[in-house]
Parts: sequence; C-alpha cells; structure tokens
Amino acid sequence: DIVMTQSPDSLSVSLGERATINCKSSQSVLYSSNNKNYLAWYQQKPGQPPKLLIYWASTRESGVPDRFSGSGSGTDFTLTISSLQAEDVAVYYCHQYYSTPFTFGPGTKVDI
Amino acid sequence: QVQLVQSGAEVKKPGASVKVSCKASGYTFTNYGINWVRQAPGQGLEWMGWVSANNGNTNYAQKFQGRVTMTTDTSTTTVYMELRSLRSDDTAVYYCAKGADSGTWYYSDYWGQGALVTVSS
Repeated sequence: DIVMTQSPDSLSVSLGERATINCKSSQSVLYSSNNKNYLAWYQQKPGQPPKLLIYWASTRESGVPDRFSGSGSGTDFTLTISSLQAEDVAVYYCHQYYSTPFTFGPGTKVDI
Repeated sequence: QVQLVQSGAEVKKPGASVKVSCKASGYTFTNYGINWVRQAPGQGLEWMGWVSANNGNTNYAQKFQGRVTMTTDTSTTTVYMELRSLRSDDTAVYYCAKGADSGTWYYSDYWGQGALVTVSS
C-alpha cells in the first residue's frame, strides 16, 4: 500500500498570511505513460464531507478560489493557501489514486 | 446539480450487517463509478472500494475483502454498500463519492453527506 504522510500535523496562520502543507507518498504516484500525478487535495470542515480542491496534483477544481494551489511531482507535493481566509479553517487531506487501495494522508488541521 | 443522498444513521450490534444506500442524481449515472470511504470518529479517511455504475465491476480494499459488497441499481440510480460481521471498530461515518470518470483510477469529485454507523452491544 502507498503510505501518505503530511506535515505539519497542524498549523496556525494569521488572516491574510500564507499556509503551506506538505504531503509525501511512500512511492511515486506519477504515471509515466500520461505524465500525470495521481494526487488530490481535499478540505474537510467539521460535520461536513470532504470537498475536492485540487486534482492531478495541480489542477484546481471548478469554483475553488485561486488562493488554493497545488504543486509537486513524484513523491513530494504541496498545498498552498496564499492568503488565508476565515472560511479556510479546516482539515486538509492529500489523497493518492495511483494504486489501490487508494490512501489518504492523516490530515493537517489549519486554524487562525 | 450533482447530488448524492445517503441513507440515515444506523445502530447495529456486533456481528450484524449494515447496508448503506447512496441515491445519485444530476448526472448520467452509468458513466461514472462510486467510491466508498469511511471515517471513524475523530480520525482520517479510509478508502473501502469502488464500484462501476456501468457494469457493477468492483475493486475492494484487501482489508474489507469478504466482508463488503458494493452494488448498483441503475433503475433507481442508487448504489449500495453492505458491510457484514460488524465490529466496534467499524463505527464510522460512511461516505459515497462519485468518481470523476468511468474508471477506477480517478479522484472523487462529489461526496454524499455521510451515514453514521454505530456498532455497539
């Protein structure tokens, strides 16, 4: 199974400041035949299901504010919130869909 | 708009079975698969498996093999997840989530509201 790790476990960021979350996979999730990284990011607020933010490591889902961006390739990935807003307080998960069983990182809690 | 509406909360005794439903609407049902993901209280997300709404093909996590069955009903655009031989550590919120494309190897783009299953004697 591909093990996903995230750092930090939690972080506190001031309003308007940048938040950076790192995700590492135990093996590459880059599929060479299409040059796509099978890595997504989700946001989950208390009592709600996860919400898709980023897929293919760097493609922003429709309707997601452009302050959210994803980067990285292979085994190392980053989610950046360029200017934290109050509504961004949540837990963020990275997720690999390269091989089954699909797996998620343990989550990073972001607060203000 | 895409909607996935799940059945309600359930309380089950150890050893029993539970069947959670997920009614899909707002898209062509048979063009996409459905993932099932669970989340124990205060914990992270765990993928259980995937089912094709087109032909019923499944891909289960090894952890749940032999204990889980995922099925679809195209006439009602509903997907079902049955988990048997329940244990206390199966207590969790169970989510259905629409795959972004027809095959297995895609992220989930829309999620149901979740169904809490509590296993307790």
